[in-house]
Amino acid sequence: AQSVSQHNHHVILSEAASLELGCNYSYGGTVNLFWYVQYPGQHLQLLLKYFSGDPLVKGIKGFEAEFIKSKFSFNLRKPSVQWSDTAEYFCAFSPRSGGSYIPTFGRGTSLIVHP
Amino acid sequence: NAGVMQNPRHLVRRRGQEARLRCSPMKGHSHVYWYRQLPEEGLKFMVYLQKENIIDESGMPKERFSAEFPKEGPSILRIQQVVRGDSAAYFCASSPPVSYDRGIGGGPRGTQYFGPGTRLLVL
Repeated sequence: AQSVSQHNHHVILSEAASLELGCNYSYGGTVNLFWYVQYPGQHLQLLLKYFSGDPLVKGIKGFEAEFIKSKFSFNLRKPSVQWSDTAEYFCAFSPRSGGSYIPTFGRGTSLIVHP
Repeated sequence: NAGVMQNPRHLVRRRGQEARLRCSPMKGHSHVYWYRQLPEEGLKFMVYLQKENIIDESGMPKERFSAEFPKEGPSILRIQQVVRGDSAAYFCASSPPVSYDRGIGGGPRGTQYFGPGTRLLVL
């Protein structure tokens, strides 16, 4: 079955600390990969996505993610977090063909950044 | 271009009542998805619709839940005879046509645009 594993459910950091959120997916074929962010009380919005090409993708607000096909991973990174990055982060994927085309979401990682 | 709109934002119902949740997709989007979000559980897919068609309802409970996306008007998620366990945030998302972005960025496999959600509380 298709699944997404987000290793950290809760992360607490101080401002200016570096961030890396793990994401691993289970599917053998080509995939589209996404990170969505949900700020407190708001809806999910796209942070970044990978469809093809350079496996290092840059998103909004200084976030980036690297697709490592051999590890089935798509980890999210930010070199220096801010208090405003406090939010819930969701990793998701959908197979490019075959499989269940509906995106599979991870459980989410709650990030709290202390000022 | 207005984003995905959902209403109401908050809905309180007593056990046994009906809940109707509405979703208007972004302009130009013909694919609509409904998800349920429970605390500590992330997003769970419920149903995928296109105009006048239910494409995939594999995530929908077999009883009491139904969805539609009529030719005119918003998509509706309907929950009959609500129970306390239905309390959750319900999100609607839409996506552009399958042909968008060289045929890989649209449809269900592409980027989804989410609405603000409806938070349902069943007393």
